[in-house]
Amino acid sequence: AQSVTQLGSHVSVSEGALVLLRCNYSSSVPPYLFWYVQYPNQGLQLLLKYTSAATLVKGINGFEAEFKKSETSFHLTKPSAHMSDAAEYFCAVGYNFNKFYFGSGTKLNVKP
Amino acid sequence: NAGVTQTPKFQVLKTGQSMTLQCAQDMNHEYMSWYRQDPGMGLRLIHYSVGAGITDQGEVPNGYNVSRSTTEDFPLRLLSAAPSQTSVYFCASSYGRGADNSPLHFGNGTRLTVT
Repeated sequence: AQSVTQLGSHVSVSEGALVLLRCNYSSSVPPYLFWYVQYPNQGLQLLLKYTSAATLVKGINGFEAEFKKSETSFHLTKPSAHMSDAAEYFCAVGYNFNKFYFGSGTKLNVKP
Repeated sequence: NAGVTQTPKFQVLKTGQSMTLQCAQDMNHEYMSWYRQDPGMGLRLIHYSVGAGITDQGEVPNGYNVSRSTTEDFPLRLLSAAPSQTSVYFCASSYGRGADNSPLHFGNGTRLTVT
């Protein structure tokens, strides 16, 4: 079975500090990879998606993620956290016929 | 465009009652799906559809029924509600129907409580 692992259900950083949210997937075939963000009482919004064109993917709001096939990872980073980044972040993998599997989510807290 | 619209936003049911969660999209997406979100478990796929008249089961289909008579609508039916079905339900749609990287577009969710 395919799975997505997000290390750390809660991550807390200071405003201006580096944000690193980890995602590992299990798959023998490189899947389609996505990061979504969820603000309170809202649905999920696409943050970025991996395409085979480049291993480093830039998304909205200054976030980026790097695909590392050898580590089966797709970690999300942002150089400098902002208070508005506080939300829950989900890593997802997609396979044929758009079957998406989501990680359990990481809640990001940003301290002033 | 409205995107993906879910109704109702909140619902309280008694054990054994049935109800239908509505989902409609106006983006002409072929793919539609239902997820449930539970604390610490991320989103789990209940059912999905790759086009009108075609549905299939996801990870957690038991207790739920779907149909897809039009491209726009994908209702989720709870046949006999149980407390274990207390959750937040999300409908999502996508342009692609095959092996591509079309992302999901989500509705704002339905918060269901079964007592």
